[in-house]
Amino acid sequence: QKEVEQNSGPLSVPEGAIASLNCTYSDRGSQSFFWYRQYSGKSPELIMFIYSNGDKEDGRFTAQLNKASQYVSLLIRDSQPSDSATYLCAVNPSRTGNQFYFGTGTSLTVIP
Amino acid sequence: GAVVSQHPSWVICKSGTSVKIECRSLDFQATTMFWYRQFPKQSLMLMATSNEGSKATYEQGVEKDKFLINHASLTLSTLTVTSAHPEDSSFYICSAGEGYPHNEQFFGPGTRLTVL
Repeated sequence: QKEVEQNSGPLSVPEGAIASLNCTYSDRGSQSFFWYRQYSGKSPELIMFIYSNGDKEDGRFTAQLNKASQYVSLLIRDSQPSDSATYLCAVNPSRTGNQFYFGTGTSLTVIP
Repeated sequence: GAVVSQHPSWVICKSGTSVKIECRSLDFQATTMFWYRQFPKQSLMLMATSNEGSKATYEQGVEKDKFLINHASLTLSTLTVTSAHPEDSSFYICSAGEGYPHNEQFFGPGTRLTVL
């Protein structure tokens, strides 16, 4: 079983719609959760992190964490073509260490 | 967020030569840095964990004698691909974090290596 699993997609949404990206993880004791965006040919860029159950909003992005169900999601409201990228979910299982486990990423395409 | 730089951003070399890639944390100190490799249309693959002042920890299947890592200071880690071959052509990315409490990792811009 992989540590972090994501639907590889591709996921296509029309411009202005809500894009929903999901991620599950296997280590129940995981502490911190991160979403990265990676454009083709570029390195990943941190979008958000979350470590408490519930929702965390930052502009058009909302991260949702449910530790009991071991899933974390990212919602992108009012999706724009510039949001088209691969989104990587990352989990940090330890409060003291900083090694991450990455999912394989979900490819998102926002159609104008 | 914290800034991580990499140099060079791209390199082309002949088969059999060695290539050194630098990763620097510009505005923070990092006792640990990570080196990843990414082939086209594939996910990140963690190669090794670079520890300041001690030996790197390599992931299973990564040859430590081929991918030499040196973390000589709190702001610099280097990855040397020794005797590079065409199959080593890839996108190499480092990351670093400030640590507790949130342990965010920030990625360098990556180095694209092409071995002819």
